[in-house]
Amino acid sequence: DGGITQSPKYLFRKEGQNVTLSCEQNLNHDAMYWYRQDPGQGLRLIYYSQIVNDFQKGDIAEGYSVSREKKESFPLTVTSAQKNPTAFYLCASSTPGAVQETQYFGPGTRLLVL
Amino acid sequence: QQQVKQSPQSLIVQKGGISIINCAYENTAFDYFPWYQQFPGKGPALLIAIRPDVSEKKEGRFTISFNKSAKQFSLHIMDSQPGDSATYFCAAKEGFGGSRLTFGEGTQLTVNP
Repeated sequence: DGGITQSPKYLFRKEGQNVTLSCEQNLNHDAMYWYRQDPGQGLRLIYYSQIVNDFQKGDIAEGYSVSREKKESFPLTVTSAQKNPTAFYLCASSTPGAVQETQYFGPGTRLLVL
Repeated sequence: QQQVKQSPQSLIVQKGGISIINCAYENTAFDYFPWYQQFPGKGPALLIAIRPDVSEKKEGRFTISFNKSAKQFSLHIMDSQPGDSATYFCAAKEGFGGSRLTFGEGTQLTVNP
């Protein structure tokens, strides 16, 4: 069953703590993306990667870090430098240059601060 | 940052009515315009998409109208149903190998029975 999985569904962060959100895809997509969604707002791009071992900052990268060691995986770390991390985090993947160029989204992780 | 402006922010429609959501952009390098539908607590899913070489695309009850000269595009939902109640996002992507999408702010649609 192909798709994108994100874990955990809910994540709680304590002050000063780094937390890592998991994103895995078995769609054989080259590109992967992380978005942040705040209530009543659109999706803002945090980081994206078009190929293994390479990634670019999006519009709101400060306080976040990523790695892309495998094609299937693109974990996002929310560092203690991110002062307002409470949000819904969405991972997506796509095949750049494909005719349809659809980005497929995972179910999301909701991050809450204790 | 190149923006895509979406309106209205929220929309209430009666069952059977037509829902219309509008988006406008400035970047003429955009060449792919998808619409996404998102239900509460879920990830967005592609609904319908259009390229600027056509002025309209229809899939079932959903139609995209595209006006290249005005740099505007809109989503029309015919015979709106309560199950269509969701948040809708328009988006745009640059051509020439670019892959990142720029999203509008979203429209929360409520269809009353």
